[in-house]
Amino acid sequence: AQRVTQPEKLLSVFKGAPVELKCNYSYSGSPELFWYVQYSRQRLQLLLRHISRESIKGFTADLNKGETSFHLKKPFAQEEDSAMYYCALSLTQGGSEKLVFGKGMKLTVNP
Amino acid sequence: DGGITQSPKYLFRKEGQNVTLSCEQNLNHDAMYWYRQDPGQGLRLIYYSQIVNDFQKGDIAEGYSVSREKKESFPLTVTSAQKNPTAFYLCASNQFRGDTQYFGPGTRLTVL
Repeated sequence: AQRVTQPEKLLSVFKGAPVELKCNYSYSGSPELFWYVQYSRQRLQLLLRHISRESIKGFTADLNKGETSFHLKKPFAQEEDSAMYYCALSLTQGGSEKLVFGKGMKLTVNP
Repeated sequence: DGGITQSPKYLFRKEGQNVTLSCEQNLNHDAMYWYRQDPGQGLRLIYYSQIVNDFQKGDIAEGYSVSREKKESFPLTVTSAQKNPTAFYLCASNQFRGDTQYFGPGTRLTVL
């Protein structure tokens, strides 16, 4: 079955520390993966997607097909990075496309 | 943040009542989605629609119904058959497969 696993629910770090938010997926096809972020009192929004291979707000994520992972990393966390982060996998089934989300992880960056 | 709107922001319902949540988008997107967000559960897909007059069940469709009579509108009805309807409901849309989904601000439904 297609699945996205975010093994950690909470992560708390101090400002300037590196962060890694883990995401593993289960999918037999060619995966399209996303990281979405939800800041306090804001809408859920796209942070980055693997296909674009870009860095957004200092975050990067590399797709590792061998380990079926798409971990999100940032070398120096900032207080404004505090948010809920969701990893998502895009599935195409019977001509329709949908996203499967992980359960999310709350990142807190302390001053 | 414009483009996809949900109303109302907060909704209260008595047990046994049906209630309809509104989702409208002016992004000219073909596809629309409804998710339910519960603490510790992430987002779970309720229904989705790739085109007008067509929609598919998601992972947790029981107790919900939708319609897609217009491209810009995708209302969700939470029926009395939904056993645990209190939740935060998110609507999203996108243009084509693999495209970013854009989310609305959400509706918080509370069953009294």
